[in-house]
Amino acid sequence: ELKVEQNPLFLSMQEGKNYTIYCNYSTTSDRLYWYRQDPGKSLESLFVLLSNGAVKQEGRLMASLDTKARLSTLHITAAVHDLSATYFCAVDPAGGGADGLTFGKGTHLIIQP
Amino acid sequence: DAGVTQSPTHLIKTRGQQVTLRCSPKSGHDTVSWYQQALGQGPQFIFQYYEEEERQRGNFPDRFSGHQFPNYSSELNVNALLLGDSALYLCASSLASGGHKGFGNGTRLTVT
Repeated sequence: ELKVEQNPLFLSMQEGKNYTIYCNYSTTSDRLYWYRQDPGKSLESLFVLLSNGAVKQEGRLMASLDTKARLSTLHITAAVHDLSATYFCAVDPAGGGADGLTFGKGTHLIIQP
Repeated sequence: DAGVTQSPTHLIKTRGQQVTLRCSPKSGHDTVSWYQQALGQGPQFIFQYYEEEERQRGNFPDRFSGHQFPNYSSELNVNALLLGDSALYLCASSLASGGHKGFGNGTRLTVT
């Protein structure tokens, strides 16, 4: 059974600081997704990482994938309050993009002014 | 170009009742997946439909069933509702070949 673990699960940080969220998974996959969820809302797609060594950046967020270590990271640079949300990573177990995703428990991020 | 749409937005049912949730995929997508997200948890995969058939199923009981129509839209049915079925139900669409999975706004089901 595929397991996806995120850490930390809760993170409170100040504006302007940098931090990294980690996502470990237990089986081979080369397709990993990052989503953002605001309270009471649905999932907003942030990144799709499709191969080992993939790195994608959008604004203050950068995601990377190491399939050999079964690890993805979401790095936040110079955090701003608007980035406060819950962040989920999700793994496609078959790697082909055709299967249901297995999600981590999420990282609840609070960025304080 | 409309994204994934779900209806209704909110629903309140009584324990033991049955409920049907609906999803229309993003234009051009042919695969629909359903997820259940309990409060404070990550989404859990229920099942996926492609070519009007259930292609993959997560660890959910038979009370959860679905259907996909020729126009690729889908329904999720839950019978004999339990209090524990209260959750946000999310629909995602994609191409059968894989790629981006976009989510709808969800249906919040409350079972009393």
